[in-house]
Amino acid sequence: GAGVSQTPSNKVTEKGKYVELRCDPISGHTALYWYRQSLGQGPEFLIYFQGTGAADDSGLPNDRFFAVRPEGSVSTLKIQRTERGDSAVYLCASSLGQAGNTIYFGEGSWLTVV
Amino acid sequence: QKEVEQNSGPLSVPEGAIASLNCTYSDRVSQSFFWYRQYSGKSPELIMSIYSNGDKEDGRFTAQLNKASQYVSLLIRDSQPSDSATYLCAFLSGGSYIPTFGRGTSLIVHP
Repeated sequence: GAGVSQTPSNKVTEKGKYVELRCDPISGHTALYWYRQSLGQGPEFLIYFQGTGAADDSGLPNDRFFAVRPEGSVSTLKIQRTERGDSAVYLCASSLGQAGNTIYFGEGSWLTVV
Repeated sequence: QKEVEQNSGPLSVPEGAIASLNCTYSDRVSQSFFWYRQYSGKSPELIMSIYSNGDKEDGRFTAQLNKASQYVSLLIRDSQPSDSATYLCAFLSGGSYIPTFGRGTSLIVHP
């Protein structure tokens, strides 16, 4: 596609529920990133994929968060037992996968846990 | 721990003035630097990248990098109300693939 596509754009869920957020990167981009952004803060790194494998998941806050990219393209961020503190914008980005490359963001998935 | 420091603002400038946005970073081996603009409710979009010391100009935007002082800035000439947004600074360490972002500076350009 022309840009990074994320779905859903908005998600409201109840505390304790399971949520999946999907990201479709720019065609040809091998690197994919998930960031989380809270109000008034910059994007906070969660996980980085190079191809199908998670090259760096050091930003995942706890074991309720998990992400996959089984075919090296679309990725899904999964959040179990959601908490109100998980409410944020979840941003996906992609790049050509070389050191120093610019990353390009999708429009984000706004998650609200009530 | 790698850190990026930005004044959260808001920075308020009149239309037509030069807006100056500043960013300092803690990692001495940083190699790549980026400025992103983020409108309220939207995702960050890249304005400029800079890799070498000195100035880099693109239209009304000039990025300035001083690696010795660990400082990068963004100048916006002839500021317009449409420039009102949050400006995020980001950097990559040499050989790294994961940009670190600052919290952003809110810019308000008033008519």
